[in-house]
Amino acid sequence: DAGVIQSPRHEVTEMGQEVTLRCKPISGHNSLFWYRQTMMRGLELLIYFNNNVPIDDSGMPEDRFSAKMPNASFSTLKIQPSEPRDSAVYFCASSMTGTADTQYFGPGTRLTVL
Amino acid sequence: GDSVTQMEGPVTLSEEAFLTINCTYTATGYPSLFWYVQYPGEGLQLLLKATKADDKGSNKGFEATYRKETTSFHLEKGSVQVSDSAVYFCAPFDRGSTLGRLYFGRGTQLTVWP
Repeated sequence: DAGVIQSPRHEVTEMGQEVTLRCKPISGHNSLFWYRQTMMRGLELLIYFNNNVPIDDSGMPEDRFSAKMPNASFSTLKIQPSEPRDSAVYFCASSMTGTADTQYFGPGTRLTVL
Repeated sequence: GDSVTQMEGPVTLSEEAFLTINCTYTATGYPSLFWYVQYPGEGLQLLLKATKADDKGSNKGFEATYRKETTSFHLEKGSVQVSDSAVYFCAPFDRGSTLGRLYFGRGTQLTVWP
């Protein structure tokens, strides 16, 4: 079985540009999570979805960040416009809802904003 | 709200040394408890878990016991290997009043020297 798939694996962009990160969760999982990891702040939960509906977006840093889940097999995290302080590794994870079940993480997207 | 406190790293050990990484949590309910591990350049993956008091989770020689009276879930390994070098995250799962989510600690960097 394929795990959580993220693309791109690496992204380098210039300040002010739009960045779109993509995630395909594990088939059959109905919860999806976006995390950001930096040295300074550690691992932060940005937003999570259940059955394609956003449940908690309190971790989204500001209006420049937006996330969508148009169907059960795809989600995007968009940053517009990007800033150097957005540089981080962004992880997507998926799990089954309603149980204290394992979250499965993707390999991450390393974003560098110049 | 829920929170988790992990022993600050980095932790540096020689091969075959004994490892303890402390973790304490606060939770409004009765959480399940997880340890995740992140190897260099990868996403997080589940190491072990425990779902009720006095349960012991174990995997790859690592163990942790759910101590409700001390709200702790310390990670131990009797003899570490170079391949155990990674970042370790303690995470209670709060079932709460919504669908539940993991609360990750700051992570503890472990380096094992041959």
